[in-house]
Amino acid sequence: NAGVMQNPRHLVRRRGQEARLRCSPMKGHSHVYWYRQLPEEGLKFMVYLQKENIIDESGMPKERFSAEFPKEGPSILRIQQVVRGDSAAYFCASSPPGTWAGNTIYFGEGSWLTVV
Amino acid sequence: GENVEQHPSTLSVQEGDSAVIKCTYSDSASNYFPWYKQELGKGPQLIIDIRSNVGEKKDQRIAVTLNKTAKHFSLHITETQPEDSAVYFCAASLSGGSYIPTFGRGTSLIVHP
Repeated sequence: NAGVMQNPRHLVRRRGQEARLRCSPMKGHSHVYWYRQLPEEGLKFMVYLQKENIIDESGMPKERFSAEFPKEGPSILRIQQVVRGDSAAYFCASSPPGTWAGNTIYFGEGSWLTVV
Repeated sequence: GENVEQHPSTLSVQEGDSAVIKCTYSDSASNYFPWYKQELGKGPQLIIDIRSNVGEKKDQRIAVTLNKTAKHFSLHITETQPEDSAVYFCAASLSGGSYIPTFGRGTSLIVHP
């Protein structure tokens, strides 16, 4: 029973390039969350998606960041024109549908982005 | 929105001692409180959770207590071992609907052999 799968695990980008981070939720899960973790800081919510819908993107920076969760395939967090301040660990989490599930979210192992 | 405060930020104990991490939350409507353990270079792993209809939950050496009146909850680890060394995060959320968990800033627990 595979958990939340994220790739790449490590990504190095030069300033101005684009970074694409992918997340496949646990089997049977239809809700995906993206969090960012800066060094020595906690987990900051970025965006919450269901299939083909962005439910809440209140934590997403207004520019350069976007997320999608298509009908088929993984969820993708896209960062355009990366800057050094984007260097962080990006975690994806998923949860099953329905309120009965208790809303427990399960994290992947993260994608570490380094901007040089 | 919800705000979760977590203390201490760093906790150093000797092997065999107990460790206690405390969190407070602001939204009285929150009713689900999970705890996660994050080891270096890995993702957070759920270790225990508690819902608002209970005051305490225990699983072997770890336990969580909840005081809804005071809006605080705590993680207790007894008989600590070196492998308990990690960063621990508390979170609070509202079960149901488009809930989004809000996390504390984390506690770095160091258990000295």
